[in-house]
Amino acid sequence: GAVVSQHPSRVICKSGTSVKIECRSLDFQATTMFWYRQFPKQSLMLMATSNEGSKATYEQGVEKDKFLINHASLTLSTLTVTSAHPEDSSFYICSARGRNSYEQYFGPGTRLTVT
Amino acid sequence: AQKVTQAQTEISVVEKEDVTLDCVYETRDTTYYLFWYKQPPSGELVFLIRRNSFDEQNEISGRYSWNFQKSTSSFNFTITASQVVDSAVYFCALSEEGGADGLTFGKGTHLIIQP
Repeated sequence: GAVVSQHPSRVICKSGTSVKIECRSLDFQATTMFWYRQFPKQSLMLMATSNEGSKATYEQGVEKDKFLINHASLTLSTLTVTSAHPEDSSFYICSARGRNSYEQYFGPGTRLTVT
Repeated sequence: AQKVTQAQTEISVVEKEDVTLDCVYETRDTTYYLFWYKQPPSGELVFLIRRNSFDEQNEISGRYSWNFQKSTSSFNFTITASQVVDSAVYFCALSEEGGADGLTFGKGTHLIIQP
């Protein structure tokens, strides 16, 4: 099956700094990538949808200036959490979908802790 | 707007018992997809099944079975002869726009299988 990787798997950063999370499709071209956030013991919430070469579409309540998404190639999307604060600590999961496919493949997730 | 309800927050059963996880959804779309995922403590989502709105056939895969009923907007998941390794959080999810949208997840059911 299709494989999606995320890097890093865990990151700890200080409040006020920015952190970048990468999501890669390893064996297929991902025309669409989705970013989800999961707080402890809660469900996954869709943050944004990005199509290769286009600006991301953010869900209501998600600050686009705080969560910068770039999907510059068919195999890579990045999520940058800018000026991170402790309340941004969460599990961030990406998924990727190929052209003409409705199958979404999830990455293993990135656990962000802001101190 | 779409919505997925998993009313059971936590279920605890003894090994070898059968257990059913409930999922009720709401959508205005006529073409949509329903999913079940397993999330073990590691956090990585494990895909279990995808079902499109036009396919109401029940499905069985080993000890797992799914009952999709459009009349009641339900997509329930049954584990037969449960095992300790089945312990995890299980999420039901919905994708509208024929599956092109990101997923809307239920709150999840924490399943505990006691030896």
